[in-house]
Amino acid sequence: GDSVTQTEGLVTLTEGLPVMLNCTYQSTYSPFLFWYVQHLNEAPKLLLKSFTDNKRPEHQGFHATLHKSSSSFHLQKSSAQLSDSALYYCALSDRNNYAQGLTFGLGTRVSVFP
Amino acid sequence: EAAVTQSPRNKVAVTGGKVTLSCNQTNNHNNMYWYRQDTGHGLRLIHYSYGAGSTEKGDIPDGYKASRPSQENFSLILELATPSQTSVYFCASGDRGNNQAPLFGEGTRLSVL
Repeated sequence: GDSVTQTEGLVTLTEGLPVMLNCTYQSTYSPFLFWYVQHLNEAPKLLLKSFTDNKRPEHQGFHATLHKSSSSFHLQKSSAQLSDSALYYCALSDRNNYAQGLTFGLGTRVSVFP
Repeated sequence: EAAVTQSPRNKVAVTGGKVTLSCNQTNNHNNMYWYRQDTGHGLRLIHYSYGAGSTEKGDIPDGYKASRPSQENFSLILELATPSQTSVYFCASGDRGNNQAPLFGEGTRLSVL
């Protein structure tokens, strides 16, 4: 079945430094990939999603590149902000079975310090 | 504005009791989902629905039932709650026309004592 593997556990970094969260996946078909962000006591919210035309999605300074050859969709930001402290999930959707929901990774918690 | 609303937001239940978690969406989405969130396990799919009258088992359906009486409403039912079902539950809705990115509700924190 489908699976998603993310950078595990907690990532701590200083404000202003770059951040990269790893995401690799296994899927029978060529899936759509997503990054969701969840702040404390809030709902998971869509941060980025992969495009069908290989464009690089960007939002709030974050970007991710889908590499089909390595089955990866790593999340990057050049300069972390305090407000980026949150839980990040990588997820995939099977193009042929979208209605069956997303498969999520275990999540990576990011803590940004001054 | 697209919205998914869950109720209650917090619930304390007793072991063996019945618990119903409700979800309402105003997005006219066909698909709805129930996930639970636990540290170390991420978000796991319990049940999902293709539309009114449809319920399907997700990855961890044991101990849960679901009901989809209308396009807007999707309930998760714990007939005999157990402490292992203590968790945060999220409802989501989505559609192929929504660029395939489900929209989540704010969550229900359930404690089973």
